[in-house]
Amino acid sequence: DAKTTQPTSMDCAEGRAANLPCNHSTISGNEYVYWYRQIHSQGPQYIIHGLKNNETNEMASLIITEDRKSSTLILPHATLRDTTVYYCIVRAFYGQNFVFGPGTRLSVLP
Amino acid sequence: EPEVTQTPSHQVTQMGQEVILRCVPISNHLYFYWYRQILGQKVEFLVSFYNNEISEKSEIFDDQFSVERPDGSNFTLKIRSTKLEDSAMYFCASSEEGASEKLFFGSGTQLSVL
Repeated sequence: DAKTTQPTSMDCAEGRAANLPCNHSTISGNEYVYWYRQIHSQGPQYIIHGLKNNETNEMASLIITEDRKSSTLILPHATLRDTTVYYCIVRAFYGQNFVFGPGTRLSVLP
Repeated sequence: EPEVTQTPSHQVTQMGQEVILRCVPISNHLYFYWYRQILGQKVEFLVSFYNNEISEKSEIFDDQFSVERPDGSNFTLKIRSTKLEDSAMYFCASSEEGASEKLFFGSGTQLSVL
C-alpha cells in the first residue's frame, strides 16, 4: 500500500499557484519524497523529489516540513495543461519499487 | 533528452496467447521496471530487475510473467498465456543506480486481450 495520503481532487485558477499537499506521517529517515504526474494514459512523468530540504526546479517547488511528515508540491503559475493526476510517493533505497496511490486530480480552471 | 522507448504502442491478442512487450531503457541506466495500469485504476508495480536478475516482484507477477534482458539494450516482459484480466497499459521504467534516483517511464503498451 502507498505510504502517502493525498486529497482526491483540487481546483486551482489558471495563473495562480497550485499547492498540492501530501501526508507521509510514517516516513523514515532514508526515504525520499517524489512527485510524479500522469497526463492522460501516458507513463508517469517525474516532477521533483527531495529528502529534507526544500527543492526547486524548472517545473515546481517541493516544500517538506521540518518533521518530514508532510510535503507540498507547488506549481507556481498553473496552466490548463497542468490539469491531470499528481502522485506523491515515498521511497527508500535504490531498487525499491515506487508505490503509486490514487493521487490528486488537479483541475486548473480558466 | 534521453527517453525510455516501448514497442508496440498497442497490442491485441487472443486469450491464451503469448505476448512479448518490448522496452529500450535509457542507455546508462542499470535498474529496470515493469508497471501496469488497468483502465481507471492505479499504476501497479510488477517487477524490478537489476544485474540480470529480478530484485523484487509483486503478487501480480506470477508464473505467467517473465522478464528478460536479451541483449545490452532491450528489456522484455513476456506473458505466457494471456487472460482477459491482463488487459492493461504496461509501462516500462528505468533508473540509474543510486539511493535517490528517479524513475523514467516509457509511454506504455496498451495490451488488449480478447
